[in-house]
Amino acid sequence: QQQVRQSPQSLTVWEGGTTVLTCSYEDSTFNYFPWYQQFPGEGPALLISILSVSDKKEDGRFTTFFNKREKKLSLHIIDSQPGDSATYFCAGSPPQQGTGSKLSFGKGAKLTVSP
Amino acid sequence: GGIITQTPKFLIGQEGQKLTLKCQQNFNHDTMYWYRQDSGKGLRLIYYSITENDLQKGDLSEGYDASREKKSSFSLTVTSAQKNEMAVFLCASSMRVTNERLFFGHGTKLSVL
Repeated sequence: QQQVRQSPQSLTVWEGGTTVLTCSYEDSTFNYFPWYQQFPGEGPALLISILSVSDKKEDGRFTTFFNKREKKLSLHIIDSQPGDSATYFCAGSPPQQGTGSKLSFGKGAKLTVSP
Repeated sequence: GGIITQTPKFLIGQEGQKLTLKCQQNFNHDTMYWYRQDSGKGLRLIYYSITENDLQKGDLSEGYDASREKKSSFSLTVTSAQKNEMAVFLCASSMRVTNERLFFGHGTKLSVL
């Protein structure tokens, strides 16, 4: 069973536009939601994360929103740049007690930003 | 800063062959992970280890073995490669705390003939 679902699977945005990626999750015990960014030939890297006690977190052009009632989260990229072209993974995990992060990842969304 | 080094970068195997992938980290992290990435399927956890000599099964452990003989290294063995299998195996590490950031290597791309 897919614990975290992402949409869309791919999208193209014009340079300067706003990108919106969305995820939904099944497990109501999840309290930590990171977004990872992956460029071709590299491993994913943490972009931004949010805890379930918050509904918004911003880092420069990147903002993630969390809706606990609907079990949904989203990533907004304003002023999208060609350098943002990458695959984005959302993920979620329940509270862990000193055992590391056992994340459930979505299938990824491939973003292309066209000049 | 630190780095995760995965070897080899590319691995070509034969059906039924036993194949070993290696991962080294110099973050001094406690926890290490192996993920499998298939096109369109996201990242799926194969094994993880919270300390030296510890092994924990992930969702996709069948068909794999793992070994954590040192804190800095974590190896993964494909016990019997499947014909036409193609995937990227990603190693990662994190501190042994809740909600900690994962640092990933660049991956080993496996192709089975």
